[in-house]
Amino acid sequence: GDSVTQMEGPVTLSEEAFLTINCTYTATGYPSLFWYVQYPGEGLQLLLKATKADDKGSNKGFEATYRKETTSFHLEKGSVQVSDSAVYFCALLYSGGYNKLIFGAGTRLAVHP
Amino acid sequence: GAGVSQSPRYKVAKRGQDVALRCDPISGHVSLFWYQQALGQGPEFLTYFQNEAQLDKSGLPSDRFFAERPEGSVSTLKIQRTQQEDSAVYLCASSGTTGGGYSNQPQHFGDGTRLSIL
Repeated sequence: GDSVTQMEGPVTLSEEAFLTINCTYTATGYPSLFWYVQYPGEGLQLLLKATKADDKGSNKGFEATYRKETTSFHLEKGSVQVSDSAVYFCALLYSGGYNKLIFGAGTRLAVHP
Repeated sequence: GAGVSQSPRYKVAKRGQDVALRCDPISGHVSLFWYQQALGQGPEFLTYFQNEAQLDKSGLPSDRFFAERPEGSVSTLKIQRTQQEDSAVYLCASSGTTGGGYSNQPQHFGDGTRLSIL
């Protein structure tokens, strides 16, 4: 069945460092892909999305490119801030219908000054 | 309100008790989803409503779990005879849809209800 695999955390970085969080997926067809972020004590917020191959989603300095060849959707940011500390979830829109999301296990990011 | 609202924010119950969790979706949103998020894990799908119709309940872990959305807006997730393994954060999400069961409109999540079973 459809699934999402993320790199394990925690990821610990210094402020202004480059961030990559790896995400790969298994799915029938070409599902829409998403990154959600969960700040401490808050609900999930959509960070960015891509709906077809080679699309690049971007928001708040974060980017991810839908790579059909490698079935990947890695999240990147050129210069992280302390305020980016959160848990990041990669997700796909299930191809079997009704738009349910299938999430990865999440990657915790901690950014230090 | 502007977002998805869930209540209560925290719920503590003794094993064997029944609990009810409420979700107020964004006004006008046709689609409503429930997810369960265990500690340190990603959310897992429980059930889906389109208006008042429950079209997918494949993720409900047992017949102790029951969800309803009788008027197509507010939804309630009920868990009967709670067990310790039911301890988790329960997330509700809603989205607009252009019709049918398929849409790429994003899901908007509430802050969740953290359920602890003692």
